Amino acid sequence: GESVGLHLPTLSVQEGDNSIINCAYSNSASDYFIWYKQESGKGPQFIIDIRSNMDKRQGQRVTVLLNKTVKHLSLQIAATQPGDSAVYFCAENIGGTSYGKLTFGQGTILTVHP
Amino acid sequence: SAVISQKPSRDICQRGTSLTIQCQVDSQVTMMFWYRQQPGQSLTLIATANQGSEATYESGFVIDKFPISRPNLTFSTLTVSNMSPEDSSIYLCSVDQGPAFEQYFGPGTRLTVT
Repeated sequence: GESVGLHLPTLSVQEGDNSIINCAYSNSASDYFIWYKQESGKGPQFIIDIRSNMDKRQGQRVTVLLNKTVKHLSLQIAATQPGDSAVYFCAENIGGTSYGKLTFGQGTILTVHP
Repeated sequence: SAVISQKPSRDICQRGTSLTIQCQVDSQVTMMFWYRQQPGQSLTLIATANQGSEATYESGFVIDKFPISRPNLTFSTLTVSNMSPEDSSIYLCSVDQGPAFEQYFGPGTRLTVT
């Protein structure tokens, strides 16, 4: 497949470890955030979302933390597996007249070693 | 989530020609979006396509270069016109599934311009 990670930050972990992927977002007016996973040769896959009135949300093996004070978002993956290897993107939306328009972060390449 | 397909999945085109990319969704959706992902980069929104109205383009993208059609609630096309090697990218469509702004992406069209 085609690589999309040539110029992106990287994170390498061992299988079974917990992973933390960070994202600094740009717009203090953003009220909705999404994490996506993109495997080589595929489109982005929705992982988890969070609204600005929350600071934490949990899914299956994933947790998203939102710190609006410093405009920071993180994705925690528990017990990381080789199948989690991918590029991870955060995205933000400010709603209102910009409903649905997502602004994406630069992405992070996660590599999980068996 | 909606099932989204794109055609073609990839193509190699000569400069100066045009390519039309199709996006088909298995359910009716109000909003469809087109993104570009240049090699090694993140995703950038090109335009928003609503059925029954003209597409709205983001800064840096114009209708003459990227004409869009949205003839019904399950289909859209994006044309990349008068292509140059700088247009080599992955082009992705996405759909908005509801009030939570959840966006789901198609598999992408990988375009190489020679």
